[in-house]
Amino acid sequence: QKEVEQDPGPLSVPEGAIVSLNCTYSNSAFQYFMWYRQYSRKGPELLMYTYSSGNKEDGRFTAQVDKSSKYISLFIRDSQPSDSATYLCAMKENSSASKIIFGSGTRLSIRP
Amino acid sequence: EAGVTQSPTHLIKTRGQQATLRCSPISGHTSVYWYQQALGLGLQFLLWYDEGEERNRGNFPPRFSGRQFPNYSSELNVNALELEDSALYLCASSPGLLNTGELFFGEGSRLTVL
Repeated sequence: QKEVEQDPGPLSVPEGAIVSLNCTYSNSAFQYFMWYRQYSRKGPELLMYTYSSGNKEDGRFTAQVDKSSKYISLFIRDSQPSDSATYLCAMKENSSASKIIFGSGTRLSIRP
Repeated sequence: EAGVTQSPTHLIKTRGQQATLRCSPISGHTSVYWYQQALGLGLQFLLWYDEGEERNRGNFPPRFSGRQFPNYSSELNVNALELEDSALYLCASSPGLLNTGELFFGEGSRLTVL
């Protein structure tokens, strides 16, 4: 079993829709949870970062972490064509020597 | 301020050859990470260097190796290339060991093995 599982998609939704992206994980020691966005032919860039459980909101983006279910989500409200990209979840234990593990990414397309 | 830079952008090699990829981190960052992004497999962790030392290593064979130089730049070497090594190799940097997960990525080096 992979440490981090993510549905690869592709996911196609109309402009203005609410998008829900999810990841599950198996390592209960993960404490830091991130969402990265990767445009075609570019490196990933950090979108959202959450420590432990709870919600975090930044503009149209909301990140949720449910550690009891080992499940994290990213919601995008009022989706725009510019949101079309691959979204990768990433996780890390609370240790200075722990590596950052990425999901396989979900390819999202927003139709105008 | 310059971001993470990687070279070369593209590299074509044949099976059995060696490939060397290079990375310059953001100024002031001491940690450099290497990831392999093969089609459909997401980012697979390869290596992590900080202050010149290897801090962690992913589940890759020993023919994947690297080093970090005193100026914090890094190189990734892949020996005895195999067809399945064809992938985008991404380098990322962070300020140091206490990184909470924010990595700054370069645009990658695309390696094609024929």
